[in-house]
Amino acid sequence: DIQMTQSPSTLSASVGDRVSITCRASQSISDWLAWYQQKPGKAPKLLIFKASTLETGVPSRFSGSGSGTEFTLTISSLQPDDFATYYCQQYDSFSYSFGQGTRLEIK
Amino acid sequence: QVQLVQSGAEVKKPGSSVKVTCKTSGGTFSSSAISWVRQAPGQGLEWMGGIIPIFETANYAQKFQGRVTITADESTSTTIMELHSLRSEDTAVFYCARGEHGDWRLDYWGQGTRVTVSS
Repeated sequence: DIQMTQSPSTLSASVGDRVSITCRASQSISDWLAWYQQKPGKAPKLLIFKASTLETGVPSRFSGSGSGTEFTLTISSLQPDDFATYYCQQYDSFSYSFGQGTRLEIK
Repeated sequence: QVQLVQSGAEVKKPGSSVKVTCKTSGGTFSSSAISWVRQAPGQGLEWMGGIIPIFETANYAQKFQGRVTITADESTSTTIMELHSLRSEDTAVFYCARGEHGDWRLDYWGQGTRVTVSS
């Protein structure tokens, strides 16, 4: 199975900051990577798919990049609504594993 | 508008089985890729397995192989996840989620079903 490793596990930042989260795959997954945002008690929400394609309705301050084994989710200017937990997921080959999550908290 | 509606919360004894259903409306059910994801309290997301109804065959994560069964009923647009030999570590929220036209990215999610395993 492909292992997905996110860093950092926790990120403290302020409103207006630019932040990035990294996701590494244990083998190449081309660009079959998605990013999700999850808030407490809610189902995850798809933000980005195919590594860099923004899901419809997601604000343009979110962006994704990378291919192969290394990927990045960037939020250009943090808004209060963005404090949540973020997960990457590979969907290149079964099983479609998730990263362990990055909790983005208010500094 | 695509919606996934899951069955209600369950409390089960260790060693028993649980069946969670996920009814899809909107979109094309037969070619959707339906995944099941587990989230233990305070923990991350785990992909358990998935099915594309038109192909009938499910695929499972190695961790759950032999203990989970995922099926689809095209007549009711419902996917069913059954987890056997329950243990306390299976206490979690279980989500179904959909990818369109066989794409395994998860663009719509159910509301989650809480399963508690306790003696």
